[in-house]
Amino acid sequence: KQEVTQIPAALSVPEGENLVLNCSFTDSAIYNLQWFRQDPGKGLTSLLLIQSSQREQTSGRLNASLDKSSGRSTLYIAASQPGDSATYLCAGDNTDKLIFGTGTRLQVFP
Amino acid sequence: DGGITQSPKYLFRKEGQNVTLSCEQNLNHDAMYWYRQDPGQGLRLIYYSQIVNDFQKGDIAEGYSVSREKKESFPLTVTSAQKNPTAFYLCASSWRNEAFFGQGTRLTVV
Repeated sequence: KQEVTQIPAALSVPEGENLVLNCSFTDSAIYNLQWFRQDPGKGLTSLLLIQSSQREQTSGRLNASLDKSSGRSTLYIAASQPGDSATYLCAGDNTDKLIFGTGTRLQVFP
Repeated sequence: DGGITQSPKYLFRKEGQNVTLSCEQNLNHDAMYWYRQDPGQGLRLIYYSQIVNDFQKGDIAEGYSVSREKKESFPLTVTSAQKNPTAFYLCASSWRNEAFFGQGTRLTVV
């Protein structure tokens, strides 16, 4: 059964730091990988999608990479801001459904 | 405005009652999903549908039912057989491997 682990579970950093969030899958047979952001009490907002033929995606200060051989993905957040405070979730699919990690709760303080 | 609309935002259920959560999308997506989110846990898949008039059980389907009579609608019924229904429920649709989420319904048993 596919399981997804996100490390760290929580992170608190001062504004301006560059951050690395990690996501790993027990089954490395992942077709596509998506990173989401979730604010408290809200739904998920899609940040980046890495399609099966790709290895990374970038959007603004965010960069996500996927190493299929190891079943690991990394989300980089450059120059973090207080507005980045949220829970970040990764999800991978290897059939027709997404499997989610438990998330990394990020707090960026001024 | 294209998107996924979940209603209501908050829902209270008495013991022994069935309740129905609404999910509507105007994105013209074929695939739709229902997830349950509990504190400290990742999203768990309840049911999903790849096409109208067809749906499949996810990992935690017991005590839930769905229908998919129209492409844009995928309602979820939480039946009295679901013994621990208090949770945050998220509906999603997907297109070209990218998932999009609604804002969620928080269900509480009173």
